[in-house]
Amino acid sequence: GQQLNQSPQSMFIQEGEDVSMNCTSSSIFNTWLWYKQDPGEGPVLLIALYKAGELTSNGRLTAQFGITRKDSFLNISASIPSDVGIYFCAGQLKVYAGGTSYGKLTFGQGTILTVHP
Amino acid sequence: EAQVTQNPRYLITVTGKKLTVTCSQNMNHEYMSWYRQDPGLGLRQIYYSMNVEVTDKGDVPEGYKVSRKEKRNFPLILESPSPNQTSLYFCASSFGTSGEGEQFFGPGTRLTVL
Repeated sequence: GQQLNQSPQSMFIQEGEDVSMNCTSSSIFNTWLWYKQDPGEGPVLLIALYKAGELTSNGRLTAQFGITRKDSFLNISASIPSDVGIYFCAGQLKVYAGGTSYGKLTFGQGTILTVHP
Repeated sequence: EAQVTQNPRYLITVTGKKLTVTCSQNMNHEYMSWYRQDPGLGLRQIYYSMNVEVTDKGDVPEGYKVSRKEKRNFPLILESPSPNQTSLYFCASSFGTSGEGEQFFGPGTRLTVL
């Protein structure tokens, strides 16, 4: 099946620094999504990207859908301690099964972010 | 409050002892799915359901069963758990049968099989 390579695997940064992480795939996706998982919780959607080349911001977060539809990045500016967590990229592609279609999500391995005050 | 709930949140069991992890959503979502999360592997889909009585295998279905008798509930069944099923499990749901767009995740169930 499709695989996503997410990097870096972990980051240790000082409060106030900017953060960048990315995902690449060997095949295309229709939608790119970025999720954050806080300790002891399920992933929560941060940003969704629906068109190749799309650049979207959500507060201090900025994400882009690569032109080739095979990659995406997420930037976090001026990090704060509550940014700590695991960030996942996910590519979504419409697949057909049994005469119907659904949007299958493929997740990256995750980036563990630690922010030192 | 709109949410996906899972029970139990933590479970320690022994090899071969059948167990069920429940999942319920109150958003009237058509699509529901189960994932397992393992270090370095991200989340991998176990089973999904596009509607009541419609279920299908995801990427890692071996050793698991599901049922969708009602729209709001999607239990995950391990008939004979083994240690390699020790993992963190998430249930998710989304609006529409296609599962496209945002999926809402439950809080997770941490399962240990001894």
